[in-house]
Amino acid sequence: GAVVSQHPSRVICKSGTSVKIECRSLDFQATTMFWYRQFPKKSLMLMATSNEGSKATYEQGVEKDKFLINHASLTLSTLTVTSAHPEDSSFYICSARNLGVTGELFFGEGSRLTVL
Amino acid sequence: GNSVTQMEGPVTLSEEAFLTINCTYTATGYPSLFWYVQYPGEGLQLLLKATKADDKGSNKGFEATYRKETTSFHLEKGSVQVSDSAVYFCALSLTSGYSTLTFGKGTMLLVSP
Repeated sequence: GAVVSQHPSRVICKSGTSVKIECRSLDFQATTMFWYRQFPKKSLMLMATSNEGSKATYEQGVEKDKFLINHASLTLSTLTVTSAHPEDSSFYICSARNLGVTGELFFGEGSRLTVL
Repeated sequence: GNSVTQMEGPVTLSEEAFLTINCTYTATGYPSLFWYVQYPGEGLQLLLKATKADDKGSNKGFEATYRKETTSFHLEKGSVQVSDSAVYFCALSLTSGYSTLTFGKGTMLLVSP
């Protein structure tokens, strides 16, 4: 079946540094990928929609300069948390739409970011 | 706005017990409804879905019926297994595809032998 992989699964960084999270569709091409953020005991919150070859579309309240998204190929989207602070600590999840399977979304396993 | 409310977990059951996880929704239109499951260390997987009122989604012994009159989509399974232990997310989408999913907070299910 379709697989989406995220890397790294866990990352710890110091305040002020930038962290890049990768989302790859392993066996299908994804023109659209989505990035979510999940707080403890909260639902997944859509952050942005990543479109291959164009700028990402951010949800209201999400800082585009803080969360840089790049979708340079049909199998890879990256989320970079710039100048990370402790309040950015969270679980980040990506998903990719497989147009060949009625548009179903496939999710990565998530990346837990801890900013010290 | 659109929202999904799930029962809080964790839900703790013994193997072969009957499972119900409640899910109700609020939507401005006629949504499609989904249940996703997240096993430990893995990404979310689509478990089942229903696209219109009275539809029943089913998969792996799990079922959920789209009830428009009660705005509900409760997940049920007649006999749970230890391998069903996971977090279950109810979600809705108002678009024809999956691009604008609104998720509930998730319900953790723990099944003991």
